[in-house]
Amino acid sequence: GAGVSQSPSNKVTEKGKDVELRCDPISGHTALYWYRQSLGQGLEFLIYFQGNSAPDKSGLPSDRFSAERTGGSVSTLTIQRTQQEDSAVYLCASSPDSGTGGLSGYTFGSGTRLTVV
Amino acid sequence: KQEVTQIPAALSVPEGENLVLNCSFTDSAIYNLQWFRQDPGKGLTSLLLIQSSQREQTSGRLNASLDKSSGRSTLYIAASQPGDSATYLCAVRSRDGGSQGNLIFGKGTKLSVKP
Repeated sequence: GAGVSQSPSNKVTEKGKDVELRCDPISGHTALYWYRQSLGQGLEFLIYFQGNSAPDKSGLPSDRFSAERTGGSVSTLTIQRTQQEDSAVYLCASSPDSGTGGLSGYTFGSGTRLTVV
Repeated sequence: KQEVTQIPAALSVPEGENLVLNCSFTDSAIYNLQWFRQDPGKGLTSLLLIQSSQREQTSGRLNASLDKSSGRSTLYIAASQPGDSATYLCAVRSRDGGSQGNLIFGKGTKLSVKP
């Protein structure tokens, strides 16, 4: 696609429910990042993928969070048993380079605003 | 471990002023540096990308410079307008990003341009 697409754009869920956030990167982009941004805060790194592989998952806040990427394309971020502190904007970015390529910049999606009530 | 710092955290200027936003990074082993703009409640929009071999990039009223050896970049905004009000983020693509992959962000400068 022309840009990074994230869905849904907004999600309101009840505490304790599971949610799945989706990121469609630009076609052919091998690197994909997930960040979250709580209200008034900076970007918090969650996880990155090189192709389908996530070299380091230590940025995920808890074991309720998981992410996967299939076919080197779409990525999903799943939050189980959501808590109110999970409320934030979840941002996805992609780049054409692998982790060692490095020449291209990143393109961000518009984000998913998650509200846990 | 690469760290990125942006100063000031917030800046308020009257319309028409020229201004400079600063970004510093601790490890000069980078591929490139990217400046983003974020409007409230929105995603990030890329403004300028400077490769490690370049000294500056320009787009309209924006000019970004890079001094890799000293670990510094500046974003110069000429003739500021109220529509420039946003948070400006600096990110370096580090050759060794550690657990964050290789894209490291600063915390941003929140700019307010008063009419």
